[in-house]
Formats: sequence, C-alpha cells, structure tokens
Amino acid sequence: GAGVSQSPRYKVTKRGQDVTLRCDPISSHATLYWYQQALGQGPEFLTYFNYEAQPDKSGLPSDRFSAERPEGSISTLTIQRTEQRDSAMYRCASSLSMDNEQFFGPGTRLTVL
Amino acid sequence: GQNIDQPTEMTATEGAIVQINCTYQTSGFNGLFWYQQHAGEAPTFLSYNVLDGLEEKGRFSSFLSRSKGYSYLLLKELQMKDSASYLCAVRVVSSASKIIFGSGTRLSIRP
Repeated sequence: GAGVSQSPRYKVTKRGQDVTLRCDPISSHATLYWYQQALGQGPEFLTYFNYEAQPDKSGLPSDRFSAERPEGSISTLTIQRTEQRDSAMYRCASSLSMDNEQFFGPGTRLTVL
Repeated sequence: GQNIDQPTEMTATEGAIVQINCTYQTSGFNGLFWYQQHAGEAPTFLSYNVLDGLEEKGRFSSFLSRSKGYSYLLLKELQMKDSASYLCAVRVVSSASKIIFGSGTRLSIRP
C-alpha cells in the first residue's frame, strides 16, 4: 500500500471487553512494530515482527495483550479484558528491516470507560 | 536497564539554530534514530546514525558519539513549521532487537 494504515482510528469500549486493533503495513516491509503512546510521551515499544516471526514481545504490559502476524503482512493487536489504564494511542510502524526508518501509521486512539 | 534522556521542552527563534541533545545508557547499542512528531500526528523519520560523527541532511544534522552515549540533532534556519516534538530512539540488540524511544523534546519556535 501507499502507507501504513490502522483501523479503527478511534475505539471506545467498556472495561472488561476485548478489543482488536489492526495494522496494514507497507507491502514490501518485513518488520512491523507495535507501540503504545501516552500523551506527551514517546512511543513505548510493545512488540515487533520479522515477517510472521515475533522475536521480541517483552514490551507487552501483561498477558492480556497479544499480537499476531500470521501471514507476514497484516497484524492485529488484541487486548483482553480491557482496563482503564489501557487507554492510550496505539501506533503501528513498518520498515524494510530494523536498520531502516520506520513508517508510522495514524494510530488507534483507545478509550476504556 | 535502558535509559534515554532528552530535555522536555526548548524554545528558539525563527531563523536561528537549535541543538537538541540526547544521552543514552543502553546495553547492546546498535544505532540511533531521530524522529519529528507534530501534535496529533504520527512520528516521521529524520535521521539514523550508526557510526560516530555528523550526518547532514539539508537544514537538519545529527551527531553521534558512541563512546559518550551522546547524540544531538541540530536544526538550522528555523521555521515556524519546525515547532514539534523531536524523539530520540535507540536500537538495542540482545537476544532479539528492539527500538526504545525517549520521551521527546517539545520545541516551540517564536517569531
């Protein structure tokens, strides 16, 4: 695609519900990252993929968070049993490799009531 | 642990020069990125340094000293549109590899 896209752009959910966020990276990009970004802060690493492999998920805050990239392209981030503290901007980025610049998507603003 | 420090806020005058510093203490350092982020928008790439020295790209330059754990971003001929947050990010490699962002420096340009 022309750039990284994410959906939905905004998600409001009630505490305890599960949510799934989607990322569509640039088609030629092997590496895909997920970040959580609080207002006024830098993106905080959650996990990344090289194609479908997930070498590092050390940044996922708890076992309620999981990510997939089954075919090495589109990725999803799922948060189970959401809590109010999960409210944040979730950003996806992709790059040709880890040595290359990342292209960020517009993000999904998640609000947990 | 991994730590990246940069000033929270800076102010500069249109047409002037500003230097934004970043210091890091990380294990497995393997490169440093600078990104620009305008309010409400996604970060966009500015530079990537792996080796020591200065890399120049138009009005923006980035410097790295690996031995000192130090980098700076230099912005020349400042324009109002340069008002944004500037994020320093370090690539670390251990058993896997990840990129750690600093909290960002919010730069305000005054006329």
